[in-house]
Amino acid sequence: QVQLQESGPGLVKPSETLSLTCTVSGDSISSFYWSWIRQSPEKGLEWIGYISYTGTMNYNPSLMGRVTMSLDTSKNQFSLNLASVTTADTAVYYCTRGKASPYDWGQGTLVTVSS
Amino acid sequence: DVHMTQSPSSLSASVGDRITITCQASQDIRSSLNWFQQKPGKAPKLLIYGASNLETGVPSRFSGRFSGTDFTFTISGLQPEDFATYYCQQYDNLPPTFGGGTKVEIK
Repeated sequence: QVQLQESGPGLVKPSETLSLTCTVSGDSISSFYWSWIRQSPEKGLEWIGYISYTGTMNYNPSLMGRVTMSLDTSKNQFSLNLASVTTADTAVYYCTRGKASPYDWGQGTLVTVSS
Repeated sequence: DVHMTQSPSSLSASVGDRITITCQASQDIRSSLNWFQQKPGKAPKLLIYGASNLETGVPSRFSGRFSGTDFTFTISGLQPEDFATYYCQQYDNLPPTFGGGTKVEIK
């Protein structure tokens, strides 16, 4: 059974870049699609985007070009970078397996944007 | 973006009750709809995909159906472990979008 685990700083300053990594076990990231979703009381659940095993990416237009995702097949990890963060980016961030339909989820990591 | 209108936002029910949650899509999404269960401090868990297909291991008291752009989720015989928040999610169009959630509380 696939397991996903998010890691990264829990506190990011405004205008800086939020960087998270998802480590996958029980499956190869070279075999499917992988996504990021976030959840906040203000916005609810929000899909951020996906990256495929071929490197194809699709991002939510609402994030206005601030998002980049990447794969590291040697470590079986994929990553999220969100630039120019504001307090509105404070949320629990989940990594998931799936393209537009998330089948498996990590436990989530809270990222707070604050000075 | 496809807007998902989920109702009610909360409900109170007793063990053994039958409850129904609805989601309405702002446009045709065919049967491309998931239902998730989320408990406090945990990630959402997929219960139903394709509007009416039960995920492996999910009890048969959970069910889903749809007609046009109207989707319903039913729990027949509420169990203590079912008290949680439930979300619908469409995946027919990018970006995928979620309903606002329904919190099911103990009466």
